[in-house]
Amino acid sequence: GDSVTQMEGPVTLSEEAFLTINCTYTATGYPSLFWYVQYPGEGLQLLLKATKADDKGSNKGFEATYRKETTSFHLEKGSVQVSDSAVYFCALSDPPSGSARQLTFGSGTQLTVLP
Amino acid sequence: GAVVSQHPSRVICKSGTSVKIECRSLDFQATTMFWYRQFPKQSLMLMATSNEGSKATYEQGVEKDKFLINHASLTLSTLTVTSAHPEDSSFYICSARRASGGDYEQYFGPGTRLTVT
Repeated sequence: GDSVTQMEGPVTLSEEAFLTINCTYTATGYPSLFWYVQYPGEGLQLLLKATKADDKGSNKGFEATYRKETTSFHLEKGSVQVSDSAVYFCALSDPPSGSARQLTFGSGTQLTVLP
Repeated sequence: GAVVSQHPSRVICKSGTSVKIECRSLDFQATTMFWYRQFPKQSLMLMATSNEGSKATYEQGVEKDKFLINHASLTLSTLTVTSAHPEDSSFYICSARRASGGDYEQYFGPGTRLTVT
C-alpha cells in the first residue's frame, strides 16, 4: 500500500537558519504530494502541493519539488522564523483522480525555531 | 475561500455518555467529508469517509457502532462517539472536499479536543 516516510523530529533551529525536512513516499500510482502545517491546538492547513513530477510547490517561503526518480518531496525554507514553529506533515493522494482520493500522512515533524 | 468549522472545539464528558461533533463546510458544498483521529504527537489516522446521503465507509479497526457518522447535507457531517471511554480521548479532525469543479483538495477543520473522564 501507499506510505509516507518523514524525517523524525523534533527539529530545533535558530531563527534565520536553513530548514530541510525530508519526505519520501511509496505509491502504486502517480500521486499528488502535499505538505500540511499544524500549529499548536489547531487543525491542518495546506502549505503547498505538487501534482506531477518536477513540479515545485511554494508558499510563505517554503518550497518542495516533486522528484519522481527519488520518490521524494523534501520541504525547504531558506530562513526560518519563530512563527514557523509547528508540526509539518507530508502527505500523498493516490490515485490523483477518483472518488475516494484519500490522504496518506507521514508521522509529522515537530519544528521549533528559537529566537 | 474554503472554510471548514468544527463544533465544539473542546468537550469534556463523563465515561459512558455520548458526544456529538459537528463538521461544517461554511462556504462550499462538500460531497465527501473525512474524519480523522490524532493522538498526542502522532499523525492523523483516517477513521472514516463520509459521503452525503449514503453510509460512511469505515477504516479497518474502527468500530462503526461506536463512532456514528451522519452526512445529512452537503454542508454538515456529524461524528457521535457513543458510550465514550477514557481511551476515546483524542483530537478529532474533519476535512471536506468540494462537490464540483475538479477540486479534489481536502480542507481541514480546526479540530475538536475530546476528553473523557
